Amino acid sequence: SQQGEEDPQALSIQEGENATMNCSYKTSINNLQWYRQNSGRGLVHLILIRSNEREKHSGRLRVTLDTSKKSSSLLITASRAADTASYFCATDGGGTSYGKLTFGQGTILTVHP
Amino acid sequence: DTAVSQTPKYLVTQMGNDKSIKCEQNLGHDTMYWYKQDSKKFLKIMFSYNNKELIINETVPNRFSPKSPDKAHLNLHINSLELGDSAVYFCASSPVGYSSYEQYFGPGTRLTVT
Repeated sequence: SQQGEEDPQALSIQEGENATMNCSYKTSINNLQWYRQNSGRGLVHLILIRSNEREKHSGRLRVTLDTSKKSSSLLITASRAADTASYFCATDGGGTSYGKLTFGQGTILTVHP
Repeated sequence: DTAVSQTPKYLVTQMGNDKSIKCEQNLGHDTMYWYKQDSKKFLKIMFSYNNKELIINETVPNRFSPKSPDKAHLNLHINSLELGDSAVYFCASSPVGYSSYEQYFGPGTRLTVT
């Protein structure tokens, strides 16, 4: 089964609104990462949060991590049409994972102008 | 200027053929990966090489064989292609093969087996 699972599977909002995506995982982790994938393109790293961190910010992105609930959320504030993409969380499974990341199936975000 | 590049971008071939996908990174990273993304966008790691040494080898049919001639290149050769191999294959790299580093992805190779 997948390590990371995103919720919702699809999200449609208007420009200027905030978008929140959630990720749940099953095992322990060293860190959790969020990636964005525009249609027909490769994944782009957004943010990494370590297991001992609870919140991290990067520009309009805010990521939270709750290791007790094995969950994370990605908040995009003041969304723009250019934020339209699929968003994936990825976890490393804890221990020495040698870079092995397990991805969820992603949240498809559509931001309408 | 492209950090991680893959060729070809599209590959259409018939069942039973053998094909290769090439990947190159100019970031000076030690570790490279191959991922497969299926039609439902599920992304799964296949292989990882650290400085030309295989370190991750997931449950992948042995028709798939990675080759790393040097740490900047990781190629994927697929023998006897099957319909189920149709997917988008992504190459990625990271500074070292530990989880605490972000991975840089190539643009993907869309493989269609007919």
